[in-house]
Amino acid sequence: KAGVTQTPRYLIKTRGQQVTLSCSPISGHRSVSWYQQTPGQGLQFLFEYFSETQRNKGNFPGRFSGRQFSNSRSEMNVSTLELGDSALYLCASSPGTSGGIQETQYFGPGTRLLVL
Amino acid sequence: ILNVEQSPQSLHVQEGDSTNFTCSFPSSNFYALHWYRWETAKSPEALFVMTLNGDEKKKGRISATLNTKEGYSYLYIKGSQPEDSATYLCASLDSNYQLIWGAGTKLIIKP
Repeated sequence: KAGVTQTPRYLIKTRGQQVTLSCSPISGHRSVSWYQQTPGQGLQFLFEYFSETQRNKGNFPGRFSGRQFSNSRSEMNVSTLELGDSALYLCASSPGTSGGIQETQYFGPGTRLLVL
Repeated sequence: ILNVEQSPQSLHVQEGDSTNFTCSFPSSNFYALHWYRWETAKSPEALFVMTLNGDEKKKGRISATLNTKEGYSYLYIKGSQPEDSATYLCASLDSNYQLIWGAGTKLIIKP
């Protein structure tokens, strides 16, 4: 099975711009979660989508949004970029059938975003 | 908000030595504890998912224990090898079914 893929891998934007990141989960996985990782911090949960619906949301401002398509692919959008949004953004997929309690998350390689 | 702590932040270990590190989490309303390994330039890779107090899991030279009553988990690596160099992350599932992650322990194996 192909793994989780994320595009683009690297991105440079300027403050005030918006950005869209894409994640394709493992075939058959219906849950996609997004995380932000900044130096010295643990992964910060952004949101989780399951069957095209946002099932969980972390503590991020409304500038961060996402969606999931019928083929389980997911996109994350950040509007009005700030310098502090510079980070590695990871997505992870899982089958999504057991509510995440015992499910292993399979991570993509990440998109490294730099905001200037 | 659930807080997950990992210690130490980094660790240098001689090849062949055994080592362990800690993940601490609030013991109330425990659901599950995940361990992941994250090698440089790769994606985080799952090691264990643990749910029951007293759980012990093993994968080759790596094992983990779980104490939900006191809120900690240990990860052990026996006979460290250079390929064990990575950041080891733990994450606890909170009541909203979100994984709350520790900042990781960076393990460096010296040949």
